[in-house]
Amino acid sequence: QKEVEQNSGPLSVPEGAIASLNCTYSDRGSQSFFWYRQYSGKSPELIMFIYSNGDKEDGRFTAQLNKASQYVSLLIRDSQPSDSATYLCAVFGNTGFQKLVFGTGTRLLVSP
Amino acid sequence: EAQVTQNPRYLITVTGKKLTVTCSQNMNHEYMSWYRQDPGLGLRQIYYSMNVEVTDKGDVPEGYKVSRKEKRNFPLILESPSPNQTSLYFCASSLSDNYNEQFFGPGTRLTVL
Repeated sequence: QKEVEQNSGPLSVPEGAIASLNCTYSDRGSQSFFWYRQYSGKSPELIMFIYSNGDKEDGRFTAQLNKASQYVSLLIRDSQPSDSATYLCAVFGNTGFQKLVFGTGTRLLVSP
Repeated sequence: EAQVTQNPRYLITVTGKKLTVTCSQNMNHEYMSWYRQDPGLGLRQIYYSMNVEVTDKGDVPEGYKVSRKEKRNFPLILESPSPNQTSLYFCASSLSDNYNEQFFGPGTRLTVL
């Protein structure tokens, strides 16, 4: 089982819709959860982080964390074509190795 | 401008020829990391450094070396590159190891023939 799992997609949504991106993780002791956006050929860019169960909102983005289900999601409201990118989920574990484990990413396509 | 720089951005080399990819940050960050990104495997951490002269292995350290003699620089050394090290490499830095302010460099695309 991979440590951090994401559906590779592509997830296709029309402009203005809500895009829902999901991520599960295997280490129950994980403490911190991150969403990065990566445009093709570019470096990852941090867009959200969440530490506590529940929702965290920042503009059009909402991160949701459920530690009991080992599940973290990212909602993008009013999706725009410029949101088309690969979204990487990353989890900071409690392994003692101080490492950030990334999922393989979900490709999002927002059509005009 | 706050940034992480990497050089070279693109490199084609041959098996066994030692190379160094440089990484530098101007944000006085303590924590720096090297990642490689491969299709289907995502980003994997190679090495990280928590401060000057403090480095440790990540998930895939084999075939790589690093050093941290100055706070701003964290070079990645491939002493004898092999084709399986063909990849996209990213350097990243953050103020501390909690990652909520991690900045990535622009990437180095390495091809080993």
